[in-house]
Amino acid sequence: EAQVTQNPRYLITVTGKKLTVTCSQNMNHEYMSWYRQDPGLGLRQIYYSMNVEVTDKGDVPEGYKVSRKEKRNFPLILESPSPNQTSLYFCATGRQGAGYGYTFGSGTRLTVV
Amino acid sequence: GIQVEQSPPDLILQEGANSTLRCNFSDSVNNLQWFHQNPWGQLINLFYIPSGTKQNGRLSATTVATERYSLLYISSSQTTDSGVYFCAVEDYGGATNKLIFGTGTLLAVQP
Repeated sequence: EAQVTQNPRYLITVTGKKLTVTCSQNMNHEYMSWYRQDPGLGLRQIYYSMNVEVTDKGDVPEGYKVSRKEKRNFPLILESPSPNQTSLYFCATGRQGAGYGYTFGSGTRLTVV
Repeated sequence: GIQVEQSPPDLILQEGANSTLRCNFSDSVNNLQWFHQNPWGQLINLFYIPSGTKQNGRLSATTVATERYSLLYISSSQTTDSGVYFCAVEDYGGATNKLIFGTGTLLAVQP
């Protein structure tokens, strides 16, 4: 079954404590991306990756890092989380031009206190 | 950038009723999708529909790309249809490499 798996689903952490949200896909897609969803602001792209070792900034990259060392994994790293990074995070994957669109993970609800 | 508007913003239905949700976009697009965000926050891909009509059970969608709109039809609604429905588009050239989401339609289906 085609899946995009995010972990954890829920996380409460304290300001400044480094954390990583993992994303893994089994669809062999080149493209992966991270979004955050906030009330009144909708879904905004944080970072995306067109392929292994190729990453680029989205609309709101400040405070986040990503890496793409292998095709299936695209972790989101918060080196020093702050309360304004409290949000619902989604990982997405897709194969542009193939007519399949994008598939999203189940989301990670992060609270930074 | 491309603007995506959805209507209505809110909708309350009785179980069994039909509804039509609309998505207007301001420029040519090469990827349009409809998503359902359920009450647990999950984004479920309903349709990939840059043009034409597709049906999946009680749901169907039509996109008229030349007129820059898409419609999502929900027939015989059920309480499990409740949640927020988003349409999302990617710009024609794919240059942005991202989906641009509409503001959503919040649907509540009452038993």
